[in-house]
Amino acid sequence: GNSVTQMEGPVTLSEEAFLTINCTYTATGYPSLFWYVQYPGEGLQLLLKATKADDKGSNKGFEATYRKETTSFHLEKGSVQVSDSAVYFCALSDHSGGYQKVTFGIGTKLQVIP
Amino acid sequence: NAGVTQTPKFQVLKTGQSMTLQCAQDMNHEYMSWYRQDPGMGLRLIHYSVGAGITDQGEVPNGYNVSRSTTEDFPLRLLSAAPSQTSVYFCASSASGQGPNQPQHFGDGTRLSIL
Repeated sequence: GNSVTQMEGPVTLSEEAFLTINCTYTATGYPSLFWYVQYPGEGLQLLLKATKADDKGSNKGFEATYRKETTSFHLEKGSVQVSDSAVYFCALSDHSGGYQKVTFGIGTKLQVIP
Repeated sequence: NAGVTQTPKFQVLKTGQSMTLQCAQDMNHEYMSWYRQDPGMGLRLIHYSVGAGITDQGEVPNGYNVSRSTTEDFPLRLLSAAPSQTSVYFCASSASGQGPNQPQHFGDGTRLSIL
């Protein structure tokens, strides 16, 4: 079956530091890949997505590139802010059996300190 | 612009009690699902529905029932609450009929404690 692997963290960074959160996946087909963000006390929100190999998703300064050869979708941001403190989930989605099947990673907690 | 609405936001139950978590969406999405979120476990799929009248089990269905009588509503029922069901529950929907690249839209969650 499909799976998504990411570190749980917490990842602690100083403000303006460079962020990388690794995400690797296994899938039998050609999935779409997503990053979701969860702020304290809230549900998950879509951060960015990529639907095919070599696509780059970007939003709010975050980027991730769909790398089929390494089955990866690492999240990066050049300069993090305190407001980026949240839990980040990597996810994949495919249409196995004719309906959408979504698999989430365990989530990586990011703490940004001033 | 409601999106996905979950009620209640918080609930405390005693072991053995039953209750229904409500979920409604106003985006005419075909696909709806329920997840539970536990520390160190990420999100685990409980039940899902691909349209009105169609439901199926996810990864952790035991102790939960669902039904989908309308496109908008997808309630989750706890039949006899157990402490192991203490968790945060999220409902999500997506326009899955348009392909696998449709994102999930999540509610704000229901925080459930079973004593």
